[in-house]
Amino acid sequence: KAGVTQTPRYLIKTRGQQVTLSCSPISGHRSVSWYQQTPGQGLQFLFEYFSETQRNKGNFPGRFSGRQFSNSRSEMNVSTLELGDSALYLCASSLVTSGVTGELFFGEGSRLTVL
Amino acid sequence: QQQVKQSPQSLIVQKGGISIINCAYENTAFDYFPWYQQFPGKGPALLIAIRPDVSEKKEGRFTISFNKSAKQFSLHIMDSQPGDSATYFCAASQGGGSTLGRLYFGRGTQLTVWP
Repeated sequence: KAGVTQTPRYLIKTRGQQVTLSCSPISGHRSVSWYQQTPGQGLQFLFEYFSETQRNKGNFPGRFSGRQFSNSRSEMNVSTLELGDSALYLCASSLVTSGVTGELFFGEGSRLTVL
Repeated sequence: QQQVKQSPQSLIVQKGGISIINCAYENTAFDYFPWYQQFPGKGPALLIAIRPDVSEKKEGRFTISFNKSAKQFSLHIMDSQPGDSATYFCAASQGGGSTLGRLYFGRGTQLTVWP
């Protein structure tokens, strides 16, 4: 069974640009969560999607947005990039049973560098 | 404000020794406490998890000890092996599982096991 797939794995952008990251969850998983990982702040929750609806949102500015498609694939977008947005962006998928999210399975992440 | 505090930041253990990582939390609504293991270049992977209705859970060489009154939980790795060298994260979630997609992570402990 294929794991969580994130693309691209590495990318370099300049300040002011925008970026879109993609996540394909494990087959059958309908919940997708996004996390930002940095050395300074650690792992921080961005948002969670289930059935194309955002269920939870972390404390990030509106420049960070996401969406989920009918096939459960998800994208996140960061607009007007800042140097501090340089991070590893992790996507995690999980099964949802009776409204309860199960174990999170993480992808290998997309490493964003903002110059 | 860090919802889950983790210590130590780094840990060096000899092969065959016991590795102990501690975490503390404040939010009594947390009801799910997982530990994740992350190798360089990989996403975090669930190692073991516990709910507050039990004080200990063991899976192979890994044991979680949970102290509800002290709001602390810890990971013990028995007979530590060089292959256990990785970064370990504790985490917590609340909401009876419906918001499991939102995990609050500790800052991580970099474990090095010397042969």
